[in-house]
Amino acid sequence: QQPVQSPQAVILREGEDAVINCSSSKALYSVHWYRQKHGEAPVFLMILLKGGEQKGHEKISASFNEKKQQSSLYLTASQLSYSGTYFCGTQLVGGGGADGLTFGKGTHLIIQP
Amino acid sequence: NAGVMQNPRHLVRRRGQEARLRCSPMKGHSHVYWYRQLPEEGLKFMVYLQKENIIDESGMPKERFSAEFPKEGPSILRIQQVVRGDSAAYFCASSLNRGRGETQYFGPGTRLLVL
Repeated sequence: QQPVQSPQAVILREGEDAVINCSSSKALYSVHWYRQKHGEAPVFLMILLKGGEQKGHEKISASFNEKKQQSSLYLTASQLSYSGTYFCGTQLVGGGGADGLTFGKGTHLIIQP
Repeated sequence: NAGVMQNPRHLVRRRGQEARLRCSPMKGHSHVYWYRQLPEEGLKFMVYLQKENIIDESGMPKERFSAEFPKEGPSILRIQQVVRGDSAAYFCASSLNRGRGETQYFGPGTRLLVL
């Protein structure tokens, strides 16, 4: 079951904040966040494994709400280098849990100077 | 550079030809995943392999596609009798341990164009 990402696209000015959401209709075992620039490989940002867990990496952090089966990626004081497409990849709990990631369709983030 | 390596980076084939895509995982990684990405789409899981074993091929098309990860050498994704719809970017990723909950690191991809 493909997770749903929102918004589909967002345009920010440098220094503004953004939130990207990733929702699943089934119970999640893990959520993996990646950023991909055009023509390049997806770059790993972070992985969340537990409900309610929050992780941070410089000005990028994420939360995982197990009850809502949702993860959110927070980008604060955005920089030009944050531009790209953000994907969440998920693995499900239990019998439906495969090793491969099921990715959302992505959120396009454009940062303007 | 100890990252995931893929070659070729670009591949052009005519309809009916065969395409062979190669992936060398990160040093020390023995778990490889293949994904396909169509333009403006997310990545779609195809197959997960360990050395000499296919663990999960639930995302592989039933015909023309095969994958292997031999004891020595890179993992190979093989597409026989390519059609225009096979045009896509193919990424491989690797992980240190079995995939659930493990970080998957992606290679730069092979962009396949079928004429």
